[in-house]
Amino acid sequence: DAGVIQSPRHEVTEMGQEVTLRCKPISGHNSLFWYRQTMMRGLELLIYFNNNVPIDDSGMPEDRFSAKMPNASFSTLKIQPSEPRDSAVYFCASSFFQAGGQETQYFGPGTRLLVL
Amino acid sequence: GQQVMQIPQYQHVQEGEDFTTYCNSSTTLSNIQWYKQRPGGHPVFLIQLVKSGEVKKQKRLTFQFGEAKKNSSLHITATQTTDVGTYFCAGRIGNQGGKLIFGQGTELSVKP
Repeated sequence: DAGVIQSPRHEVTEMGQEVTLRCKPISGHNSLFWYRQTMMRGLELLIYFNNNVPIDDSGMPEDRFSAKMPNASFSTLKIQPSEPRDSAVYFCASSFFQAGGQETQYFGPGTRLLVL
Repeated sequence: GQQVMQIPQYQHVQEGEDFTTYCNSSTTLSNIQWYKQRPGGHPVFLIQLVKSGEVKKQKRLTFQFGEAKKNSSLHITATQTTDVGTYFCAGRIGNQGGKLIFGQGTELSVKP
């Protein structure tokens, strides 16, 4: 299994530009999570999906952030317009969720975003 | 909101010394997981604890889940340079599906 795949691995952009991060979860997993990691705030959950449906987006910083999961094998996290304070490592993780289950999350390698 | 507090934030040890990191939750957890993130890497699952008072061991690593299911600890005996990284606890609250609440992590450095 290839694991969770994220692209791009690195992104450098200028303030005001649109940024799109992509994630392919592990085949067969039905839950997908987007996290942001910074030195100041640690690992923050932005949003998660179950069966392609957004369940909890309370961690999304503001309207500049949006996430979609059009099918079970693909998700995007979009920032428009980007700001320097969005610079961080963005991780995607997936798991197989069952009610009452004890599933673990598998993280992708992350996208390192730098907004100048 | 629900929080998982983890201490210490940083720990520097000499190789061979022991290391412990602690997690405390404001809410009773249905289970707790531990992850390790190597420098420049991504979090990788280590273990999950489910039962009150549960203790699990992985070689030199010992994981405990408190009786009240609100706290947990990870203890490493005789650290090695390969133990370097950030250790995260992550708690699951029963009514929140697959969502995990991560602690801030403890960054461990080991001096040879």
